[in-house]
Amino acid sequence: DAGVIQSPRHEVTEMGQEVTLRCKPISGHNSLFWYRQTMMRGLELLIYFNNNVPIDDSGMPEDRFSAKMPNASFSTLKIQPSEPRDSAVYFCASSWRATQYFGPGTRLTVL
Amino acid sequence: GQQLNQSPQSMFIQEGEDVSMNCTSSSIFNTWLWYKQDPGEGPVLLIALYKAGELTSNGRLTAQFGITRKDSFLNISASIPSDVGIYFCAGQDNNAGNMLTFGGGTRLMVKP
Repeated sequence: DAGVIQSPRHEVTEMGQEVTLRCKPISGHNSLFWYRQTMMRGLELLIYFNNNVPIDDSGMPEDRFSAKMPNASFSTLKIQPSEPRDSAVYFCASSWRATQYFGPGTRLTVL
Repeated sequence: GQQLNQSPQSMFIQEGEDVSMNCTSSSIFNTWLWYKQDPGEGPVLLIALYKAGELTSNGRLTAQFGITRKDSFLNISASIPSDVGIYFCAGQDNNAGNMLTFGGGTRLMVKP
């Protein structure tokens, strides 16, 4: 079975550019999570969807960040405009109940 | 909010030694999970615990869901170099839906 799929795996962009990260959750899972991981802050939950509906976005740092889940098999996390402090590894995870399965992550570098 | 204290933060051990790490919480969890993260990869689920007192093994790994529901430990027996990585505990509270609270991680280094 395919796990959580994320793309791109690596993204290097310049400050001010728009960045879009993509995630395909495991088929049949009804919850999707976006996390950010940095050395300083560890693993932070950004937003959580249940049945394609955003449930908790209190972790989204600011209005520059937005996430969508148009259907059960696809989600995006967009940063516009990007800033150097957004550099991190972004993970998508999906679950049916409590057990979350993580994707391989997108390493974002904003110059 | 809930907090998970994971210890130790790092361990440097000799190949063949046993390892123990644990997590404690200020409040009750209904599910405990243990993940391992290799460099450049996402966390991978090692063991899931769903019942207080539950003791579960996965190869050389053993984890227990504390009877108070506020703690869990993970043991690794006879460590090998590929055990190197960061281990995270995570707890789920039914009042928080499917969201998890993560510990800060234990970085394990194994000397061949």
